[in-house]
Amino acid sequence: DIQMTQSPSSLSASVGDRVTITCQASQDINNYLYWYQQRPGKAPKLLIYDASKLETGVPSRFSGSGFGTDFTFAISSLQPEDIATYYCQQYDNLPSFGQGTRLEIK
Amino acid sequence: QVTLRESGPALVKPTQTLTLTCTFAGFSLSTPGMCVSWIRQPPGKALEWLARIDWDDDKYYSTSLKTRLTISKDTSKNQVVLTMTNMDPVDTATYYCARIFTPQGRYFDYWGQGTLVTVSS
Repeated sequence: DIQMTQSPSSLSASVGDRVTITCQASQDINNYLYWYQQRPGKAPKLLIYDASKLETGVPSRFSGSGFGTDFTFAISSLQPEDIATYYCQQYDNLPSFGQGTRLEIK
Repeated sequence: QVTLRESGPALVKPTQTLTLTCTFAGFSLSTPGMCVSWIRQPPGKALEWLARIDWDDDKYYSTSLKTRLTISKDTSKNQVVLTMTNMDPVDTATYYCARIFTPQGRYFDYWGQGTLVTVSS
């Protein structure tokens, strides 16, 4: 099974900051990498698909990059409503998720 | 409008079998490429994929849990059912169902709101 190593596990940043999260796959997953936002008590919401494509309706401050085993998710200018936990997910054979990054405002 | 809703018991006893139902609307599981998965999340912990069923009745299971899981569908009722045997307190979690439409990609584009299942005697 493919393991996803996501870091950091938590992150504190100020409004307007650029924030980055990384995800590393234990083997090559091409671009089958997705990013989700989960607010407390809610289901995850898809933000980025195929490593770098922005889901319809998602603000352009969110972005993704990477291919193969190393991937990055970024928020260009942190907003208060971005407070959430973010997960990466791969789906090369069977799907698996990273451990999540809890994002807080300083 | 695509919606999914999970239903099932809120409390099960250790060793019992859990049966969860995902009732969906806005798409058909007979459409080629359509799939429904189950995913769970223990309180305060990460998401864990459990199982998937496809429009053609292909089924896939988590490697670590496959001996305990069975997924099935009733296309006429727009339902997907997951059973998990021999429940243990570590199985306490919110259980979600979610859709994949493979012509678009391998991501979960629509999710139910989740149902919390507590395993306790």
